[in-house]
Amino acid sequence: DIQMTQSPASLSASLGETVTIQCQASEDIYSGLAWYQQKPGKSPQLLIYGASSLQDGVPSRFSGSGSGTQYSLKISSMQTEDEGVYFCQQGLKYPFTFGSGTKLEIK
Amino acid sequence: EVKLLESGGGLVQPGGSMRLSCAASGFTFTDFYMNWIRQPAGKAPEWLGFIRNKANGYTTEYNPSVKGRFTISRDNTQNMLYLQMNTLRAEDTATYYCARTITTVVGWYFDFWGPGTMVTVSS
Repeated sequence: DIQMTQSPASLSASLGETVTIQCQASEDIYSGLAWYQQKPGKSPQLLIYGASSLQDGVPSRFSGSGSGTQYSLKISSMQTEDEGVYFCQQGLKYPFTFGSGTKLEIK
Repeated sequence: EVKLLESGGGLVQPGGSMRLSCAASGFTFTDFYMNWIRQPAGKAPEWLGFIRNKANGYTTEYNPSVKGRFTISRDNTQNMLYLQMNTLRAEDTATYYCARTITTVVGWYFDFWGPGTMVTVSS
């Protein structure tokens, strides 16, 4: 299975701050990566797929980049509604696998 | 509006069986691969498997972690997705989600999820 390693495990950011979350795959996943946001008691929501494509309805302050084994999610200006847990997911090979998550809080 | 709604969760004894259902609406059900994904409290989601769409013959793929114990099926006349779980273990305790797949040239992702149904395996 492809292992997905996320960092950091948690972080806090001030309103308006730029936030970056990292995800590393155990092998090349050729941009086959998605990012999800999950709020307490809710199901995950797709933010980014194909490493950099923004899902419909997702604010443009979210962006994704990367290639090979290294990927990142950037939030350009932290808002209160961005608090939650963020997961990466590789969509290249079965079984599809998720990172362990990054908990993002307002400072 | 796309809607997915799981049902059938609850408490089951170790070694027991349970069938989860997912009612889908708001899209052409037969056009999409459909998945089951679970998430233990406080942990990452785990993809369990999917069933392909009409164009791909409704075949299935499973995570090796559950292959042979779990079976995914669909009733395309009722727009329903099912997960049959057998020989349940304590480590199967989780919230179970159904999710729709989007298929792209760079992989498969999950664009809509239901709210989930909780399964607890305990004596």
